[in-house]
Amino acid sequence: DGGITQSPKYLFRKEGQNVTLSCEQNLNHDAMYWYRQDPGQGLRLIYYSQIVNDFQKGDIAEGYSVSREKKESFPLTVTSAQKNPTAFYLCASSFLSADTQYFGPGTRLTVL
Amino acid sequence: KNQVEQSPQSLIILEGKNCTLQCNYTVSPFSNLRWYKQDTGRGPVSLTIMTFSENTKSNGRYTATLDADTKQSSLHITASQLSDSASYICVVSFPPLSGGYNKLIFGAGTRLAVHP
Repeated sequence: DGGITQSPKYLFRKEGQNVTLSCEQNLNHDAMYWYRQDPGQGLRLIYYSQIVNDFQKGDIAEGYSVSREKKESFPLTVTSAQKNPTAFYLCASSFLSADTQYFGPGTRLTVL
Repeated sequence: KNQVEQSPQSLIILEGKNCTLQCNYTVSPFSNLRWYKQDTGRGPVSLTIMTFSENTKSNGRYTATLDADTKQSSLHITASQLSDSASYICVVSFPPLSGGYNKLIFGAGTRLAVHP
């Protein structure tokens, strides 16, 4: 897991609620990423950010929002607009144009 | 369409035995290929990375091979241990058409169970 932390490890959400997943890194990486992992599927990119105060949509950004106010932090908000949010969420970071992304331990989100 | 397919979907072997996991990709152009190990409920951890010109890369008991002509890669695990039980994910990177970061395409993974 390196120097990337995610919290909480488990999160339960009621329908209609927004929830925010935390991701912090102390690796001095410029780029940070959010992925969603569902059973039997490869990781899918939600959002990524290459510099502070800038971020780009990934392949499945609908129903999610992010911010990048600090280099070390890249929180993900799962909004009520996300119709099927139950999944395992992984945050990653890397140096710009780097070969390898380093992943956090993940947050498992369950909608009740 | 850029895709990464892995086989088998799951595999059970006995401790001490060898095994080989397969990865086929249709990603083009191609930057590099990585194998990650993901323990249950944890984030993936990089095992190997290979560029277009590399045919093989080892990391302890893990050896990855790459055939860029046939777009196939394999991960060979030697003398398996109980701690090898995990999902193994093949990831292919390709450069974007209009700048930005190298996009990653993830396979669905092979779930390996090593039994005593």
